[in-house]
Amino acid sequence: GAGVSQSPSNKVTEKGKDVELRCDPISGHTALYWYRQSLGQGLEFLIYFQGNSAPDKSGLPSDRFSAERTGGSVSTLTIQRTQQEDSAVYLCASSLQGITEAFFGQGTRLTVV
Amino acid sequence: AQSVTQLDSQVPVFEEAPVELRCNYSSSVSVYLFWYVQYPNQGLQLLLKYLSGSTLVKGINGFEAEFNKSQTSFHLRKPSVHISDTAEYFCAVSGPGGSEKLVFGKGTKLTVNP
Repeated sequence: GAGVSQSPSNKVTEKGKDVELRCDPISGHTALYWYRQSLGQGLEFLIYFQGNSAPDKSGLPSDRFSAERTGGSVSTLTIQRTQQEDSAVYLCASSLQGITEAFFGQGTRLTVV
Repeated sequence: AQSVTQLDSQVPVFEEAPVELRCNYSSSVSVYLFWYVQYPNQGLQLLLKYLSGSTLVKGINGFEAEFNKSQTSFHLRKPSVHISDTAEYFCAVSGPGGSEKLVFGKGTKLTVNP
């Protein structure tokens, strides 16, 4: 595709439910990032996939959060038992190995009610 | 591990005035440095980057930034701003060769007033 695609663009879920957020990176990009953007908090790093290396999960805020990347392409971020504090915009980005620029998707706005 | 500090959360300026948005980073190794911009209700896009070479980097829309290793800074400047520059600006750092994650600062909201 022409850019990084995220789906859904908006998601409203009830507290306690699980959600899955999807990211389709730019074809050929080996690096993929997930960030969380909350008002006044900037971009909070969540997880980083780079090629076949073990992902850097150091930013995941709790064990309710997990992510996988299948076949080195599409990635899914899963939040289990959602809480109201999980409400934010979740951004995905991808880049070529040896990062020179990360390209961002439009994000998924998650609202937990 | 790297970290980024953007010293000003909000910067209001008048149109055609100069502006400087400050960014300091913390790292024990050489780094790559970036500025991204997020216009209202839009995604992030790259403004400029420093990878190596000349410490003065020019980007899109008339912005430039200077890498200062001794002060561990990468401040963003524009000599004359426009209303359309109103946006949130994020400074980011990563390790060389993409070996480490891209870490962002908390952002600076630039508001250009007429």
